[in-house]
Amino acid sequence: QVQLQQSGPGLVKPSQTLSLTCAISGDSVSSNSAAWNWIRQSPSRGLEWLGRTYYRSKWYHDYAVSVKSRITINPDTSKNQFSLHLNSVTPEDTAVYYCTRDQGGVDPWGQGTLVTVSS
Amino acid sequence: DIQMTQSPSSLSASVGDRVTITCQASQDISNYLNWFQQKPGKAPKLLIYGASNLQTGVPSRFSGSGSGTYFTFAISSLQPEDIATYYCQQYRNLPLTFGGGTKVEI
Repeated sequence: QVQLQQSGPGLVKPSQTLSLTCAISGDSVSSNSAAWNWIRQSPSRGLEWLGRTYYRSKWYHDYAVSVKSRITINPDTSKNQFSLHLNSVTPEDTAVYYCTRDQGGVDPWGQGTLVTVSS
Repeated sequence: DIQMTQSPSSLSASVGDRVTITCQASQDISNYLNWFQQKPGKAPKLLIYGASNLQTGVPSRFSGSGSGTYFTFAISSLQPEDIATYYCQQYRNLPLTFGGGTKVEI
């Protein structure tokens, strides 16, 4: 059974970098059949896909246009996890952040991390 | 981006009722559609993938149909534990996009 466990701070100051990690058990971040997403949810934006990383003989990354200039998603094969870094955050980045596995069906999801951007 | 329009945004039904939710895509997405259930404070849970395929472990009272731009999701006999918000999501193109959700109440 695949499980995703998120970690990272719940409070980030404006202009700083939001960093979250998603630890994978029961699958590999280097899987040739999965992609690893970050998705966020807020009352104003609903469910919003942010980006993904995946391995198909080499690493690929795709990012949403809305955050492309500020986002990095990195795999860590030594720890079997992947991370989200979103820089220059503003209060509009306040949301619940989820990591997910994607094989067509988006499943499973991490437990979610409420990240508040506030001074 | 592909826009996903769900309706209704909320509904109230009785235990045992059949409930139907629709999702319309702004362009043809074939059958690249998922349905999720989300309960308060929890992550979304995949119920249906590929428009009509029931995820392992999901009760058979849940079903999905459709292709192209028009999709339906149904609960054949509403149970108290089905109270939740339901979302459709397309994966035909990036970015992955979600419907606005349908809140189901009793």
